Amino acid sequence: KQEVTQIPAALSVPEGENLVLNCSFTDSAIYNLQWFRQDPGKGLTSLLLIQSSQREQTSGRLNASLDKSSGRSTLYIAASQPGDSATYLCAVTSGTYKYIFGTGTRLKVLA
Amino acid sequence: SQTIHQWPATLVQPVGSPLSLECTVEGTSNPNLYWYRQAAGRGLQLLFYSVGIGQISSEVPQNLSASRPQDRQFILSSKKLLLSDSGFYLCAWETGFTGELFFGEGSRLTVL
Repeated sequence: KQEVTQIPAALSVPEGENLVLNCSFTDSAIYNLQWFRQDPGKGLTSLLLIQSSQREQTSGRLNASLDKSSGRSTLYIAASQPGDSATYLCAVTSGTYKYIFGTGTRLKVLA
Repeated sequence: SQTIHQWPATLVQPVGSPLSLECTVEGTSNPNLYWYRQAAGRGLQLLFYSVGIGQISSEVPQNLSASRPQDRQFILSSKKLLLSDSGFYLCAWETGFTGELFFGEGSRLTVL
C-alpha cells in the first residue's frame, strides 16, 4: 500500500531564504508526482507535475525533483517571499485513478 | 482554458438533513472527476471518482453517494447527514493526457 510522508510538518523561515520541502513515498512504481499549494480555506493549486520518466520540473522560483528509486521528491523554493506562505502537498499516483496525498508541510515565510 | 466550479462554498446543515454538492468543469470533455474530503489536520481522502457519465467508483463505504448525470457535472449527495460528515469537500478533474489533477475551491460543510 502506497504511503506518502512529508517532513517537516511545519516550517518557518525568514524572507529571502532558499528552502527545500521533502516528500517520500513507499512504492517506487509511480506514474506521476504532483506538488500542490493550499492557502487556508481554499482548494489546491497545482504547482508542478513530474511524470515518471522525468527527473525534474521548474516553474519560476520553484523546482521539483524526483528520484523514483529512493522514493523521494523535493520542492525547492528560491528566494522565499511572504506570499509563499501556505501548505504544500505532494501526491503520487500509480495510474489507477488513485492519487495518494501526503499531509503537507505548512510553510510560513516571515517578512 | 479549463475551469472548475464548485458550490456551495459554505454549508451548515443539521444532522439527518440531505446534502447536495455540485461540481462542473468547463473547457474540456470527458474528464476524470473526483470527490475528496479533507478533515482538519488530516490528508485528503478519496471518496468517489468517475471516468464517464453514470460511472461511479466508491473508495470509502459511507452514507454519501455520487452521480455524474452529464459529462462535466459531478454531484455529491447524502440522504441523511451525520456529524462525522463535517469537513472540507473538494472536487477535482484530471486531464487524460498528462494525468495532472486540478481542484475546485472547495465546499466547507458543517453538520450540527
